[in-house]
Amino acid sequence: DIQMTQSPSSLSASVGDRVTITCRASQSISSYLNWYQQKPGKAPKLLIYAASSLQSGVPSRFSGSGSGTDFTLTISSLQPEDFATYYCQQSYSTPRTFGQGTRLEIK
Amino acid sequence: QVQLVQSGAEVKKPGASVKVSCKASGYTFTSYDINWVRQATGQGLEWMGWMNPNSGNTGYAQKFQGRVTMTRNTSISTAYMELSSLRSEDTAVYYCARENIPHSGYGLFDPWGQGTLVTVSS
Repeated sequence: DIQMTQSPSSLSASVGDRVTITCRASQSISSYLNWYQQKPGKAPKLLIYAASSLQSGVPSRFSGSGSGTDFTLTISSLQPEDFATYYCQQSYSTPRTFGQGTRLEIK
Repeated sequence: QVQLVQSGAEVKKPGASVKVSCKASGYTFTSYDINWVRQATGQGLEWMGWMNPNSGNTGYAQKFQGRVTMTRNTSISTAYMELSSLRSEDTAVYYCARENIPHSGYGLFDPWGQGTLVTVSS
């Protein structure tokens, strides 16, 4: 199974900050990397697919990059509604696996 | 709009089985694979498997092989996930999630159902 490791596990930031979350795969997954946002008590929501493609309706302050084993999710200017938990997920092979999550909290 | 609506919360005893439903609307049910993902309280996301609603073909994570069964009823656009031999560690919210691209097997999940809490307790 491909292991996905996110860092940091939690992060405190302020509205307007630029934030970067990292995801590392245990083997190369090309660009088969997706990012989801989850708010408490809600289902995850797709933000980025294929490492860098923005899902329709997602604000442009979200961006993704990387390929192979190292990936990043960047939020260019944090908004109040962005405080949530973020997960990366590989779709290179089955079983599909997720990172452990990064909890983004208000400073 | 595309929507997945899941059945309500369940409480089960250890050793029992649970069957969660996921009713699809707003698209052609048989054109997109359905995946199941679970999340224990305060924990991360764990993929359980997928089903092609057109053919009924399935693929399960090794961890759940022999305990999970994914089925569908195309006449009512509903997918089902049944988990047997329940234990306390199976207490979690179970989500269905539609594959974003028709029959691609890409593994991209959008949208998701609202989740069904399954509690296993004696």
